[in-house]
Amino acid sequence: AQSVAQPEDQVNVAEGNPLTVKCTYSVSGNPYLFWYVQYPNRGLQFLLKYITGDNLVKGSYGFEAEFNKSQTSFHLKKPSALVSDSALYFCAVRPLSSGSARQLTFGSGTQLTVLP
Amino acid sequence: GAGVSQSPRYKVTKRGQDVALRCDPISGHVSLYWYRQALGQGPEFLTYFNYEAQQDKSGLPNDRFSAERPEGSISTLTIQRTEQRDSAMYRCASSLGTRSYEQYFGPGTRLTVT
Repeated sequence: AQSVAQPEDQVNVAEGNPLTVKCTYSVSGNPYLFWYVQYPNRGLQFLLKYITGDNLVKGSYGFEAEFNKSQTSFHLKKPSALVSDSALYFCAVRPLSSGSARQLTFGSGTQLTVLP
Repeated sequence: GAGVSQSPRYKVTKRGQDVALRCDPISGHVSLYWYRQALGQGPEFLTYFNYEAQQDKSGLPNDRFSAERPEGSISTLTIQRTEQRDSAMYRCASSLGTRSYEQYFGPGTRLTVT
C-alpha cells in the first residue's frame, strides 16, 4: 500500500522569501506524484505532477517541485512567496504500474502562511 | 468549460436518515472518484468508476455506503441510516481516463449528521 508523509503541519514564510513544503512517499514501484492546493471553502486545485522525465517539474502560479527517487521525496518550492499563496497544500501519490490502484493517496496537508 | 459540480454543497441530516450526494463530472471525463475528507486531514478514497462500471469500492467504510453512475456521467453517493461519524466533507473528482493522471475536484458536499 502507498502512503504520503507531510512532516510539517504548518509552514510560515515572509513574503518575497523562497518557500518549501516537504513531502515524502512510499509506493510499490515507480510513482506518479501530485501537488494540490486548497483554498478556504473551495475544492482542491491541481498544481503540478511528476510522471517521468525531468526531476524538476514546473506547475501553476510559479510553483515547482523536485522529485528525488533516492530520498523518496517530492518537495514543493517557489522562489518568491506571495501572501496569496497562503493555503492548505496536499501531496498525493499513486503507483505507476498498470493494473494497480488508480486512486490518489493524500498526505495530511501543510498549512502555508505567507506573512506580509 | 465547467468544472466538477457537486450538490448539495451543505447537508444537515438527522441520525438514521438516508442521504444522496450528487456529482456532475467534467463533460467527457471517463473516470469519476469519490473521496471523504475529515477536518484537518487529506482526502481518503472511497470508490471510483470508469464510465458506468464501478472499478473499485474498497474504500467504502461499510455496507451503508453505496455509489452508482448509471449512464456513465452523473454519480450519486448514498449513505443509508446515517451516523454522526459520517459527518465529513465528501469530494468528487473526475479525470479524462485512468491513464490521464490528474484528477479535477469539485467543491465538495459538507455533510453534518446531528
